[in-house]
Amino acid sequence: EIVLTQSPGTLSLSPGERATLSCRASQSDGSSSLAWYQQKPGQAPRLLIFDTSNRATGIPDRFSGSGSGTDCTLTISRLEPEDFAVYYCQHYDNSQAYTFGQGTKLEIK
Amino acid sequence: QVQLVESGGGLVKPGGSLRLSCAASGFTFSDYYMSWIRQAPGKGPEWISYISSSGITIYYADSVRGRFIISRDNAKNALYLQMNILRADDTAVYYCARDRVEGSFDSWGQGTLVTVSS
Repeated sequence: EIVLTQSPGTLSLSPGERATLSCRASQSDGSSSLAWYQQKPGQAPRLLIFDTSNRATGIPDRFSGSGSGTDCTLTISRLEPEDFAVYYCQHYDNSQAYTFGQGTKLEIK
Repeated sequence: QVQLVESGGGLVKPGGSLRLSCAASGFTFSDYYMSWIRQAPGKGPEWISYISSSGITIYYADSVRGRFIISRDNAKNALYLQMNILRADDTAVYYCARDRVEGSFDSWGQGTLVTVSS
């Protein structure tokens, strides 16, 4: 089973700054199916990015995903106040296993 | 718009059972794979089970296999999770979610809290 490690655990930035969040898989299975979610307190996760780099419906273009192999990145180009939340990456592999990372908390500096 | 509404959570003693339901609306339920995902307090989400659109194909995470049963009723636009032999580490918010074909989850319910405690 693939293990996803997200870094950093907490990221402190100011509105208007650029955020870069990382997700590393313990192994590569050749699948490009990595997704990113945003979760705010008391809410369900919301899909931001699927297939590593595709924005979900209604997601602003300041959110972008990139990467390949075992390393993927979520970039928020200019932080808005509503972007401060917890972010999770998620992988789906060919053995029908879905794995989530432990999360990165993006907090206001 | 897509809506998923879970129900059935609550407080249950270790070893007990609970059945969760998820009512779907706003899309053609019978066209989609569906999953249950849980999130323990302060932790990241954990996928626990999915069921194919027809209900024929089912998978479980190791943590719940043999104790939980997923099912669906396409005529009622409903997803279910029968949870048996519950343990303290099953305590979590349980979400139903719609699967995208490539393996992400594009719609989630608001969740229902299951607490396993004596």
